[in-house]
Amino acid sequence: EAGVAQSPRYKIIEKRQSVAFWCNPISGHATLYWYQQILGQGPKLLIQFQNNGVVDDSQLPKDRFSAERLKGVDSTLKIQPAKLEDSAVYLCASSLRGYNEQFFGPGTRLTVL
Amino acid sequence: DQQVKQNSPSLSVQEGRISILNCDYTNSMFDYFLWYKKYPAEGPTFLISISSIKDKNEDGRFTVFLNKSAKHLSLHIVPSQPGDSAVYFCAPADSNYQLIWGAGTKLIIKP
Repeated sequence: EAGVAQSPRYKIIEKRQSVAFWCNPISGHATLYWYQQILGQGPKLLIQFQNNGVVDDSQLPKDRFSAERLKGVDSTLKIQPAKLEDSAVYLCASSLRGYNEQFFGPGTRLTVL
Repeated sequence: DQQVKQNSPSLSVQEGRISILNCDYTNSMFDYFLWYKKYPAEGPTFLISISSIKDKNEDGRFTVFLNKSAKHLSLHIVPSQPGDSAVYFCAPADSNYQLIWGAGTKLIIKP
């Protein structure tokens, strides 16, 4: 069974630029999560999708971050414009349903200069 | 306001000995607790969990203990092996089944 795929693995951008991350969850998993993990901290949930609907985006900085999961499968997270404090690893995870074990992708390490 | 605290950023243990990782939480409504393990440049992977109706759950070399009155849980690894060197996260689930993550403990197993 293929795991959660994410791309790119690494990205370096200047502040005020925009960036997008892509995630393809495990086939059949209805729930998809985007997390932000800042160095030395645990992952923080940014947004949770159930199929193509948003379950929770209360911690997503909506002035600069956006996410979509149009067909209920893969998802894109965008930051526009980026700030220095956005430097982090962005993790995507999926689960069969919202109460099942979450499976994580390898993450995208973003550096904002 | 940290709901989940892992007070030891790192822990060094001799191979073959027991590793004990601790986690404290403040929200008494948590009723399901998970431990995840993370290697560098990889995403976290599920290790073991415990429901609040239990005080112990064992899976091979890994045992998780839950003390609800103290709002404390611990992960025991015995015997510790070099492949256990990783960052371990405690992650209770809230009423919406969302995970609230601690900052992690980096476990180093010395040969």
